[in-house]
Amino acid sequence: GAGVSQSPRYKVTKRGQDVALRCDPISGHVSLYWYRQALGQGPEFLTYFNYEAQQDKSGLPNDRFSAERPEGSISTLTIQRTEQRDSAMYRCATARIGQGFTGELFFGEGSRLTVL
Amino acid sequence: AQTVTQSQPEMSVQEAETVTLSCTYDTSESDYYLFWYKQPPSRQMILVIRQEAYKQQNATENRFSVNFQKAAKSFSLKISDSQLGDAAMYFCATSIIQGAQKLVFGQGTRLTINP
Repeated sequence: GAGVSQSPRYKVTKRGQDVALRCDPISGHVSLYWYRQALGQGPEFLTYFNYEAQQDKSGLPNDRFSAERPEGSISTLTIQRTEQRDSAMYRCATARIGQGFTGELFFGEGSRLTVL
Repeated sequence: AQTVTQSQPEMSVQEAETVTLSCTYDTSESDYYLFWYKQPPSRQMILVIRQEAYKQQNATENRFSVNFQKAAKSFSLKISDSQLGDAAMYFCATSIIQGAQKLVFGQGTRLTINP
């Protein structure tokens, strides 16, 4: 697609429920990143993939958070047993690697998660 | 590990004037990128300008320019002829060039443009 697409744009859930957030990258972008942004703060790195391989998950806050990208394209970030502190904007970003890589990440519009 | 610090939570400027946003960073890498991203009220993340650390010449994009001081690990953003549409949160960020190109962001500076 023309840009990074994330769904849902808004998600309200009750504490204890599981949520799945989806990211559809720009065509040809093999690197995919997940970030979390609290209100008034900068984005914080969660995890990233090159193709289908998860390269770094050091930013995932605990084992309730997981991410996958099984076919090297669409990625899903899953939060199990949600807690109120999980409320934030979750952003996906993608990038080229190799020739043509400029360091720039292209961000989606984010999924705003509210846990009641 | 890389860190980025933006010491100005809020800045304001009169329309058509010039404003400078500050950013300092820390890294042990010799090759890295530096970025300024803009986040308007729509909450998108838009790249404003980028700089490769190995380039001595300061990057410029129209009304936006940077003052890159590598030894001081400083990367400030100057906005000339400020316009109402420049009002946004501005985030400074850095990433290494080799290996994981994950961005590390600062806390942001909220810029207000006064008409």
